Amino acid sequence: AQSVSQHNHHVILSEAASLELGCNYSYGGTVNLFWYVQYPGQHLQLLLKYFSGDPLVKGIKGFEAEFIKSKFSFNLRKPSVQWSDTAEYFCAVITGGGNKLTFGTGTQLKVEL
Amino acid sequence: NAGVTQTPKFRVLKTGQSMTLLCAQDMNHEYMYWYRQDPGMGLRLIHYSVGEGTTAKGEVPDGYNVSRLKKQNFLLGLESAAPSQTSVYFCASSYRLAGGRNEQFFGPGTRLTVL
Repeated sequence: AQSVSQHNHHVILSEAASLELGCNYSYGGTVNLFWYVQYPGQHLQLLLKYFSGDPLVKGIKGFEAEFIKSKFSFNLRKPSVQWSDTAEYFCAVITGGGNKLTFGTGTQLKVEL
Repeated sequence: NAGVTQTPKFRVLKTGQSMTLLCAQDMNHEYMYWYRQDPGMGLRLIHYSVGEGTTAKGEVPDGYNVSRLKKQNFLLGLESAAPSQTSVYFCASSYRLAGGRNEQFFGPGTRLTVL
């Protein structure tokens, strides 16, 4: 069965620092990749998604992610974080053209002023 | 559009009690899903539905039942609640798109505590 690994469980950054959250998946075929964000007390919202084409995808709020097929990775980046980026971030994958999302365990990001 | 809504927002049950969580979507989505979210474990799929009248098991279906009698509604039932079912439950829905390009839209969640 496919799985998604997020190696950073808790990340603490100062405002204006750069962010990179790791995401690796285990599946050798076609994948559709997603990053979701959950702000405190809120539901999940889509940050960005990759289906095909340019492996560097841009999402909302200045986030971007790069799909590296050879490394089975889809890392999330932001050049300069803000206090309002404090949230939990989930990487997720749909494999083989199916209809079920498999989520990683999430990364809790805290941005300090 | 309300999007995906869930009722109730909070609930406290005693062990052995039953309850039903309601999910409704107004986006005419074919697919609907129920997840549970537990600390350090991400979201895990309980059951899902690919259309009215159909349901299927996800990763953690034991102790739960579901029904999709109407396209816009997806009900999650707990027949005999157990403390292990204390969790936050999220409903999601998506269009049926080819190649697995189904962006899912999530509801606000139901926080359930079983004593």
